[in-house]
Amino acid sequence: GESVGLHLPTLSVQEGDNSIINCAYSNSASDYFIWYKQESGKGPQFIIDIRSNMDKRQGQRVTVLLNKTVKHLSLQIAATQPGDSAVYFCAEKVGGSYIPTFGRGTSLIVHP
Amino acid sequence: KAGVTQTPRYLIKTRGQQVTLSCSPISGHRSVSWYQQTPGQGLQFLFEYFSETQRNKGNFPGRFSGRQFSNSRSEMNVSTLELGDSALYLCAGGTEGATGELFFGEGSRLTVL
Repeated sequence: GESVGLHLPTLSVQEGDNSIINCAYSNSASDYFIWYKQESGKGPQFIIDIRSNMDKRQGQRVTVLLNKTVKHLSLQIAATQPGDSAVYFCAEKVGGSYIPTFGRGTSLIVHP
Repeated sequence: KAGVTQTPRYLIKTRGQQVTLSCSPISGHRSVSWYQQTPGQGLQFLFEYFSETQRNKGNFPGRFSGRQFSNSRSEMNVSTLELGDSALYLCAGGTEGATGELFFGEGSRLTVL
């Protein structure tokens, strides 16, 4: 979920488990959502996106769920691997805007 | 194809100095955005350039400025550095459309002493 202080929320899982990372977005007018992954020492990397006319989208080992009623987005990672350890950001865009607004991020730690 | 290149990767400055950071997006990406990333504030949008014009601007003071060249390369400048400017500065390139992913560089880590 979203952090309210200086420290990122952290999710610790065992290798092979499924991970669910949550994000509460702020703007009910947002119609496009993206998940990014940021590994240590690197810039954020696109994972998956979803438009507001969908409530679910699947990629390779990842699924994004969108609940517009409660303005909630989640990223599910199946069979989590140590290489999935990173900070995950959700981002939202309002239609016509070129600039996404990023959430605070969640740190995922995968234990072998 | 080559990724987004940011230079320098690391730099140390003292208060009052100024700094210029450079970003070369992926070939064909005409939009370049800049973000400041700090542990306390997350990813904060600075500005976005498209075809050498600043198209969007975030809520940063005038000490932060940028520009874009005809080859889409972009620079950002911070004048009169303050301790609070210490951060990772990320640039991201993208295509013209309002949707679609951003392609980030690895960032320039600025430390202000």
